[in-house]
Amino acid sequence: SQELEQSPQSLIVQEGKNLTINCTSSKTLYGLYWYKQKYGEGLIFLMMLQKGGEEKSHEKITAKLDEKKQQSSLHITASQPSHAGIYLCGADSKAGGTSYGKLTFGQGTILTVHP
Amino acid sequence: EAGVTQSPTHLIKTRGQQATLRCSPISGHTSVYWYQQALGLGLQFLLWYDEGEERNRGNFPPRFSGRQFPNYSSELNVNALELEDSALYLCASSLVNRAFSGANVLTFGAGSRLTVL
Repeated sequence: SQELEQSPQSLIVQEGKNLTINCTSSKTLYGLYWYKQKYGEGLIFLMMLQKGGEEKSHEKITAKLDEKKQQSSLHITASQPSHAGIYLCGADSKAGGTSYGKLTFGQGTILTVHP
Repeated sequence: EAGVTQSPTHLIKTRGQQATLRCSPISGHTSVYWYQQALGLGLQFLLWYDEGEERNRGNFPPRFSGRQFPNYSSELNVNALELEDSALYLCASSLVNRAFSGANVLTFGAGSRLTVL
């Protein structure tokens, strides 16, 4: 089964600093999803990457999928307190081009941003 | 457009009891997913329903079961509750069916927090 490892597990930064969260897969990533979660609440979809080398940005958040499609990074520029939360990467489990309809998630990275 | 709604928000049960959690997907979504988020264990896939049928199941015992209704809403039942069942249960919906091979963006609800005493 596919496993996702996120690093770091937690991150504390000062407002205005840049930061990067990594997600490494034990198998080829067919679809990589980044979500954000406020503690005890549901997940909010951020971005989805499918192609090796793909990069997407939304406001101050940029996500990349490496060429070999086994690692993704999430980069936040000029962090703000509103960026605080838990960031999770999720991956499609596929075989033979058919989705099994579930996502495997990493353990999450807890981000704290001090004003 | 209403998002994914879950009820109840909080539920307190004792060991051995049964718990029922409910989920209404986004209008037009036919697939419903259930995930368990227990402290320290991350987000674990429980069940996937599509078009009223169970399509995939995670590594959970049979006392975790559910169903999907004709209006695509779903309920999750947990029988013979154990202390370790205490967790946030998240429901998500999407347009994916079992033959789909492409992007699968799940939209999550706010969750139901189950506490087993």
